[in-house]
Amino acid sequence: EDKVVQSPLSLVVHEGDTVTLNCSYEVTNFRSLLWYKQEKKAPTFLFMLTSSGIEKKSGRLSSILDKKELFSILNITATQTGDSAVYLCAVVSNFGNEKLTFGTGTRLTIIP
Amino acid sequence: DGGITQSPKYLFRKEGQNVTLSCEQNLNHDAMYWYRQDPGQGLRLIYYSQIVNDFQKGDIAEGYSVSREKKESFPLTVTSAQKNPTAFYLCASSLNRGYTEAFFGQGTRLTVV
Repeated sequence: EDKVVQSPLSLVVHEGDTVTLNCSYEVTNFRSLLWYKQEKKAPTFLFMLTSSGIEKKSGRLSSILDKKELFSILNITATQTGDSAVYLCAVVSNFGNEKLTFGTGTRLTIIP
Repeated sequence: DGGITQSPKYLFRKEGQNVTLSCEQNLNHDAMYWYRQDPGQGLRLIYYSQIVNDFQKGDIAEGYSVSREKKESFPLTVTSAQKNPTAFYLCASSLNRGYTEAFFGQGTRLTVV
């Protein structure tokens, strides 16, 4: 069974802090890893990672993948209250019959 | 506008009744997925489909059924066999090429009364 594990489950920090969210996975025929942000209802897409060691960056958010150690991290620098959300990691696996498996999510709370 | 539409947003069901959640997309995506999300939890995969007339069970398929008669539509039926159906249900779609993001609907919140 494909497995995606995120840590920590919950994190509370002060505005301006830097946070690192973790995602490890065990899947058959890895294709790509996706990060999403979920504030209320529909998750919104952040990053897609397919190659090891290549950092993806968008403003204060960045992410990197390690396919040898089977994990990814999502970094958020200079956090703001608007960053408060659940961050979801997902892995696409299989060929021709792609399956999208999500982790449990990390609930990030930013205190003003 | 292109997108993925779920309906209804809120649904109430009496115990013992079947109920069907709608998911429609006009993105020309091959793959469609149904997830269940409980409070404080991540997304758990119920069913997924890559092509018309074909679908696979996810991790928690028991008590649910789906159909994929059209590329655009992937309805989910929550049957009376599902013992704890109260949850938030999310539908997603993607191009099914392994290297594209999945897009989500706004979800349906099902409550059993």
